[in-house]
Amino acid sequence: DGGITQSPKYLFRKEGQNVTLSCEQNLNHDAMYWYRQDPGQGLRLIYYSQIVNDFQKGDIAEGYSVSREKKESFPLTVTSAQKNPTAFYLCASGELSGNTIYFGEGSWLTVV
Amino acid sequence: RKEVEQDPGPFNVPEGATVAFNCTYSNSASQSFFWYRQDCRKEPKLLMSVYSSGNEDGRFTAQLNRASQYISLLIRDSKLSDSATYLCVVNPADSWGKLQFGAGTQVVVTP
Repeated sequence: DGGITQSPKYLFRKEGQNVTLSCEQNLNHDAMYWYRQDPGQGLRLIYYSQIVNDFQKGDIAEGYSVSREKKESFPLTVTSAQKNPTAFYLCASGELSGNTIYFGEGSWLTVV
Repeated sequence: RKEVEQDPGPFNVPEGATVAFNCTYSNSASQSFFWYRQDCRKEPKLLMSVYSSGNEDGRFTAQLNRASQYISLLIRDSKLSDSATYLCVVNPADSWGKLQFGAGTQVVVTP
């Protein structure tokens, strides 16, 4: 079954901890993205990648890191430097045209 | 000014009625436009793409007005299942990968 798989769906982080959100796609898409969504706000781009071993910062990259070692995988690490990490995190993938993108089911991160 | 602006709503619509709402964008070079639907606490899902002068998909019609820089979404014969938040998405074309998202318009269809 083709699609984008994010895990975990729910994650709790203690202050000062790093956490990593997984994103895997089997759609053979070249481009992958990470967005953050806060209540009442639009999606904000954290990082994106067009090709393996290359990625670019989005609008709110501070406190986050990513890697793209495989075409299928684009994990996001929320570091302790991210001061307000509680949010809904969405991974997406799409063709290099940059047009239509498809989302995973999202990961809810809560700082406790 | 935000790059993509939407009326947050909610638009309360009786079942069977028609509802329409707009989305304005600031970048005149934008080439492609999309409507996504997002249910509460779920991921956005593509509803329809909007190219050239617009398009129709069943009960949904999207229109593009380049001169005034807005797109619209019209839902006819509203169903209870149409209750959701509708996100307007713009591809600015001059900034690859940086799709611009509106904050969404909430639609509530009531029996």
